[in-house]
Amino acid sequence: KNEVEQSPQNLTAQEGEFITINCSYSVGISALHWLQQHPGGGIVSLFMLSSGKKKHGRLIATINIQEKHSSLHITASHPRDSAVYICAVRSIGSGGGADGLTFGKGTHLIIQP
Amino acid sequence: DSGVTQTPKHLITATGQRVTLRCSPRSGDLSVYWYQQSLDQGLQFLIQYYNGEERAKGNILERFSAQQFPDLHSELNLSSLELGDSALYFCASSVGQGPVQPQHFGDGTRLSIL
Repeated sequence: KNEVEQSPQNLTAQEGEFITINCSYSVGISALHWLQQHPGGGIVSLFMLSSGKKKHGRLIATINIQEKHSSLHITASHPRDSAVYICAVRSIGSGGGADGLTFGKGTHLIIQP
Repeated sequence: DSGVTQTPKHLITATGQRVTLRCSPRSGDLSVYWYQQSLDQGLQFLIQYYNGEERAKGNILERFSAQQFPDLHSELNLSSLELGDSALYFCASSVGQGPVQPQHFGDGTRLSIL
């Protein structure tokens, strides 16, 4: 079982719809990251969370540490939101947290006009 | 623009060869992370450097090595290349080495082994 599980794997929606992508993890973490990867390949960091909720424009990210679960929401979705959204966690390691990220397999989102 | 620069953008070479990928972190960032993204394995952490010293190792093969120089740029060396090494290699940087640090990603180097 992967340490980080995302759902759904693929999501196609119409422009304007409210989008939710889920991420569950099985290890203790110090932080959770949401990343966006466009077809060209570049990765953009959207959010880093260790508790609560963050909002940036039409994007909202929440995390429930007790339930080991995070969600990424997109309001008023637009075709330019089409991308792969990746959840990644920074595990609590023996090295004081000096470890890299562990990634989910990503959610392929397509927003149709 | 994340401020992280990776060169080259594309690299095509043959099996058995050796290549060097370069990463310049954001100004002021002391930590550099290397990641590999392949079709079958997805994104995987390879190695982290902080202020010139190796801090953590992930799934890095013995044929791969890295270093961070005094000017904080980093190089990832891949040797005895195999077809399975074809992947996107990303570098990311952060200010410190602590766990609650945002990481800023470069655009990646696409390595193709023929």
